[in-house]
Amino acid sequence: DQQVKQNSPSLSVQEGRISILNCDYTNSMFDYFLWYKKYPAEGPTFLISISSIKDKNEDGRFTVFLNKSAKHLSLHIVPSQPGDSAVYFCAASAGRDDKIIFGKGTRLHILP
Amino acid sequence: NAGVTQTPKFRILKIGQSMTLQCTQDMNHNYMYWYRQDPGMGLKLIYYSVGAGITDKGEVPNGYNVSRSTTEDFPLRLELAAPSQTSVYFCASSRGGIVGYTFGSGTRLTVV
Repeated sequence: DQQVKQNSPSLSVQEGRISILNCDYTNSMFDYFLWYKKYPAEGPTFLISISSIKDKNEDGRFTVFLNKSAKHLSLHIVPSQPGDSAVYFCAASAGRDDKIIFGKGTRLHILP
Repeated sequence: NAGVTQTPKFRILKIGQSMTLQCTQDMNHNYMYWYRQDPGMGLKLIYYSVGAGITDKGEVPNGYNVSRSTTEDFPLRLELAAPSQTSVYFCASSRGGIVGYTFGSGTRLTVV
């Protein structure tokens, strides 16, 4: 039973355009959400997070939006750059000190 | 500052063999985690530890054992390797809370 779902295995976006990665969750106890980025042969690295008390968090080119009623969050990257090509994992937790549950990931390709 | 170090990076095991995946961190983090990532899948939590001498099961603990005798080290033991344990294994640590996870670069294990 997948609690965190990333339904798009891959996404291709032109360099300079906006990349939008989507994530859905089923567990209403989740109250903290994160995005991790992973390059081949490396471990995931933390990108951005959002608490359930917010609906938006921005960090430079990266913005995460949270829609609690729809149990949906999205990561926006604008403008997209070649170095953004990676696998992006959506993750969630039922508390700041609880374990993280990961989605399957979306592979983002930034096209020149 | 090395962060989280995993050894070995690659290993091929025969069915029924045993091995220990090593993980060490030099950040004085109390929390440590073992995840596995199967192809096309997200990261699944195997075991975690909130401090030396304390370990607990995650989502997929069967076939594995862990110990945490020191703050720095969190080895993962496979006693009777099975093909279903073919995966990439990631160790992570944090000082507490979910935002500060630091991942190692992974161990790619193949069981034949």
